[in-house]
Amino acid sequence: AQSVAQPEDQVNVAEGNPLTVKCTYSVSGNPYLFWYVQYPNRGLQFLLKYITGDNLVKGSYGFEAEFNKSQTSFHLKKPSALVSDSALYFCAVSPTYNFNKFYFGSGTKLNVKP
Amino acid sequence: EAGVVQSPRYKIIEKKQPVAFWCNPISGHNTLYWYRQNLGQGPELLIRYENEEAVDDSQLPKDRFSAERLKGVDSTLKIQPAELGDSAVYLCASSTPDRGGTGELFFGEGSRLTVL
Repeated sequence: AQSVAQPEDQVNVAEGNPLTVKCTYSVSGNPYLFWYVQYPNRGLQFLLKYITGDNLVKGSYGFEAEFNKSQTSFHLKKPSALVSDSALYFCAVSPTYNFNKFYFGSGTKLNVKP
Repeated sequence: EAGVVQSPRYKIIEKKQPVAFWCNPISGHNTLYWYRQNLGQGPELLIRYENEEAVDDSQLPKDRFSAERLKGVDSTLKIQPAELGDSAVYLCASSTPDRGGTGELFFGEGSRLTVL
């Protein structure tokens, strides 16, 4: 079965420090990988994606993510966190046999403290 | 460019009552998705449309849920009768065929349903 795991329900980090939000997946083949962000009472917003190529992808708002095929991981990172980054982050995967189908993780709440 | 519009934003009903949610996707987006997001969980697909055709409705509880996308633009999701377990946020998303293939889903703000 296809699945996406976000092992941390919550991540706390001080403003200015680097942040990492973890994601691992179990999907056959070479899936497409994504990160979305959700602010309170808002819909999900696309952050970045990995399709192929360089394992480090850059996205919106200074975020980047590192793809590791051997560990089936796609961790979200940012070198210096902002208070405004506080939100709910979702990892998603799309299998290459049906790239219009998306499996979402359960989400990680990021808290950035001043 | 206007985003995905959903209504109502909030709905409170008693169990066994019917409820309907409406979605207007981004102009020109052929693919439309309805997701359900339970508290503390990620979105789960209910149904996906390509134009007017429902191409993936395997997760839609068809005994009480129905959806339609007449003319391939707006869509309506209906629940009848609602049960307590239907309390959730119902998200609509849209994409163009190319963007759907590379993951750029555009989400509405969602319709939060509370069933009492």
